[in-house]
Amino acid sequence: ELKVEQNPLFLSMQEGKNYTIYCNYSTTSDRLYWYRQDPGKSLESLFVLLSNGAVKQEGRLMASLDTKARLSTLHITAAVHDLSATYFCAVPSNFGNEKLTFGTGTRLTIIP
Amino acid sequence: GAGVSQSPSNKVTEKGKDVELRCDPISGHTALYWYRQSLGQGLEFLIYFQGNSAPDKSGLPSDRFSAERTGGSVSTLTIQRTQQEDSAVYLCASSFTGGWGQPQHFGDGTRLSIL
Repeated sequence: ELKVEQNPLFLSMQEGKNYTIYCNYSTTSDRLYWYRQDPGKSLESLFVLLSNGAVKQEGRLMASLDTKARLSTLHITAAVHDLSATYFCAVPSNFGNEKLTFGTGTRLTIIP
Repeated sequence: GAGVSQSPSNKVTEKGKDVELRCDPISGHTALYWYRQSLGQGLEFLIYFQGNSAPDKSGLPSDRFSAERTGGSVSTLTIQRTQQEDSAVYLCASSFTGGWGQPQHFGDGTRLSIL
């Protein structure tokens, strides 16, 4: 059974600082997705990582995938307040459809 | 439509009643997924549709839960004889064909509260 673990669960950062969220998964997968969720809102797709060594960047966020280590990271550079949200990684099934197994989520709070 | 649409946005009902939740996926998307988000269990997969067929129902928690999709478009998730543990946000997502590497686009969800 596929398990996806994220850490930390909660992260409080000062504006301007850098930090990394980690996502580990238990079975082989060659792709991984990152989503953002604002309070009371739905999930917004951030990154689609489709191969070992894939790196994607959007603004102050950068995501990478190491399929051999079964690890993805989401790096935040010089955090700003509007990055406050919950971030989820998700790994798709290897068996015929792309149903997602989600990590526990990391609730990020940026403090002025 | 422009995005995945779900209705109602909120539903409060008494234990033992039946509820129906609706999802209208992005036009042209053949793959449709239902997930459930609750404090205790996080985000869990429920069921996957490809067109009107449901080849993967493995996440449905009990036989009180069922879903259908008609016309390759709208889907309805039905919960019979609701229990308090059914309280959660039910999220619907769609993708173009459900193929490799396609991100799923989520609706705003239905927040279900069982009294």
